Amino acid sequence: AQSVTQLGSHVSVSEGALVLLRCNYSSSVPPYLFWYVQYPNQGLQLLLKYTSAATLVKGINGFEAEFKKSETSFHLTKPSAHMSDAAEYFCAVTLTGANNLFFGTGTRLTVIP
Amino acid sequence: DTAVSQTPKYLVTQMGNDKSIKCEQNLGHDTMYWYKQDSKKFLKIMFSYNNKELIINETVPNRFSPKSPDKAHLNLHINSLELGDSAVYFCASSQDLGGRPSYEQYFGPGTRLTVT
Repeated sequence: AQSVTQLGSHVSVSEGALVLLRCNYSSSVPPYLFWYVQYPNQGLQLLLKYTSAATLVKGINGFEAEFKKSETSFHLTKPSAHMSDAAEYFCAVTLTGANNLFFGTGTRLTVIP
Repeated sequence: DTAVSQTPKYLVTQMGNDKSIKCEQNLGHDTMYWYKQDSKKFLKIMFSYNNKELIINETVPNRFSPKSPDKAHLNLHINSLELGDSAVYFCASSQDLGGRPSYEQYFGPGTRLTVT
């Protein structure tokens, strides 16, 4: 079975500081991995996805994530946090040929002015 | 311009009632989904439909019944509502690529259901 674990339910960073949100996956076969962002009272928006192509994936709003098979990780980073980045971030996994996503428990990012 | 829309946005009802949530997507996607997000923000898939056919039905009480009148619509009907059904319900859709899912799901804004 596949799953993802997000370390840290709440992360606070100062505006302009590095953002690092952690996600580790568990899968018996090569997974497809995703990061979604949820702004308050809104639906989820895809930030980026890894589907077995390049291991460093660039997404929207300056975010990127690196797939590291040896560490079973897919951490999300952004060099410089902006106030508008404050939101809930979800890591998700699925398998080749599958339709459903399995989500982590989410990490709330707070950006301090 | 809305890609995936849900109605209503908020739904407050009493225990024992029956209610429906509607979802429509104008993206031309083949697959639609219902997810439940609980009070701790945990998201779990409930159902998935591909071209009006049910393909995923997770462990969900049979009080929940999805209905897909056409490829662009997936409604969720809930009978005999219980307190534990209070949650945010998200509809999503994705496009198949030659019979394979594209893995990129587009979510609606959610319906916050409160059962009192």
